[in-house]
Amino acid sequence: AQRVTQPEKLLSVFKGAPVELKCNYSYSGSPELFWYVQYSRQRLQLLLRHISRESIKGFTADLNKGETSFHLKKPFAQEEDSAMYYCAPPGRSARQLTFGSGTQLTVLP
Amino acid sequence: DVKVTQSSRYLVKRTGEKVFLECVQDMDHENMFWYRQDPGLGLRLIYFSYDVKMKEKGDIPEGYSVSREKKERFSLILESASTNQTSMYLCASSLGSPENYGYTFGSGTRLTVV
Repeated sequence: AQRVTQPEKLLSVFKGAPVELKCNYSYSGSPELFWYVQYSRQRLQLLLRHISRESIKGFTADLNKGETSFHLKKPFAQEEDSAMYYCAPPGRSARQLTFGSGTQLTVLP
Repeated sequence: DVKVTQSSRYLVKRTGEKVFLECVQDMDHENMFWYRQDPGLGLRLIYFSYDVKMKEKGDIPEGYSVSREKKERFSLILESASTNQTSMYLCASSLGSPENYGYTFGSGTRLTVV
């Protein structure tokens, strides 16, 4: 079965500090991975996807196939980045995504 | 700008009741999904559908069923609600393979079973 692990349930950083949200996955093949974000009282939305290699809201994520990781990074955290973040690789088939347990990021002033 | 609509934001039901959660998307997406979201457990897939009248079990289908009679509507049914089904339920849709297109989510239905 495909697995995805987000080891940190809670993460707090100060404004302006770098932030890294960890994601490790098990997947055979070349995965397409996503990060989703849920801000307070908003719906879950796509933050970024590996294949596009975009930087959205200053976040980037590099796929490390050797370590099977897809960590989300931002060099300077902002208070508005406080949210729940989910890593999502493919599930048992390409027809579904599997979500990690999520990391609640709090950026302190 | 709302594209995936879940009919109820909050629901309170009694144990043993039959519960219907409705989801409608206006983007002509092929694939639709039902997840439940629980603290510490993330999102877990209940059922999904890749075409009208087609459905596949997800990771936790027990106690649930689904219906997709029209492309735009995907219903989740709790045949006999139990307290352990108290959760946030999220509907999502995808144009094609989620691996390529990702999901668009609804705003969720918070169900409480008492």
